Amino acid sequence: GENVEQHPSTLSVQEGDSAVIKCTYSDSASNYFPWYKQELGKRPQLIIDIRSNVGEKKDQRIAVTLNKTAKHFSLHITETQPEDSAVYFCAAPFSGGYNKLIFGAGTRLAVHP
Amino acid sequence: DAMVIQNPRYQVTQFGKPVTLSCSQTLNHNVMYWYQQKSSQAPKLLFHYYDKDFNNEADTPDNFQSRRPNTSFCFLDIRSPGLGDAAMYLCATSRSGYNEQFFGPGTRLTVL
Repeated sequence: GENVEQHPSTLSVQEGDSAVIKCTYSDSASNYFPWYKQELGKRPQLIIDIRSNVGEKKDQRIAVTLNKTAKHFSLHITETQPEDSAVYFCAAPFSGGYNKLIFGAGTRLAVHP
Repeated sequence: DAMVIQNPRYQVTQFGKPVTLSCSQTLNHNVMYWYQQKSSQAPKLLFHYYDKDFNNEADTPDNFQSRRPNTSFCFLDIRSPGLGDAAMYLCATSRSGYNEQFFGPGTRLTVL
């Protein structure tokens, strides 16, 4: 089955700096890669996703890049702000053809003013 | 507008006393999921439904059961809660496994 590894587990940056979180996956057939943000005490919410027919997708300060050859995808946050502080989860579809995602272990991002 | 609703938001039960958590959706999505989440760990999938087709994860304890009586509602039954079952339980919906999952606010379960 699919395996998703996420690094780093914690990330601390100064406000205004960039943050990068990387995930690797095992199933070369995977074709959908979402990123979820979970603030403390709140539900996970999708912030960006990418499908395998593109290599990069941007939405304001957030971007996701996909390298299908290397089987990894990354979340890039530029000009970080304190409200970006949260736990971020990457995910990939389970390779068995079922309607489910395999989540990475999460990255706790702290943005310091 | 609430799209995925979970009730109750907080549930306290005693060791071994059955509980039922509920989830409803206004999105008319085919797939409904139940996750268990502890201490900012990744959500752990317990089971999911594609319409009425039930899919159990291999490592989901028999203590956990689920029902989906119609498209809008899904229930999580914990037959004999143990201390280790204390967690946040998240319900989510999606059109399919290749689309965004919309999470409910969660039910925090405390077992005394």
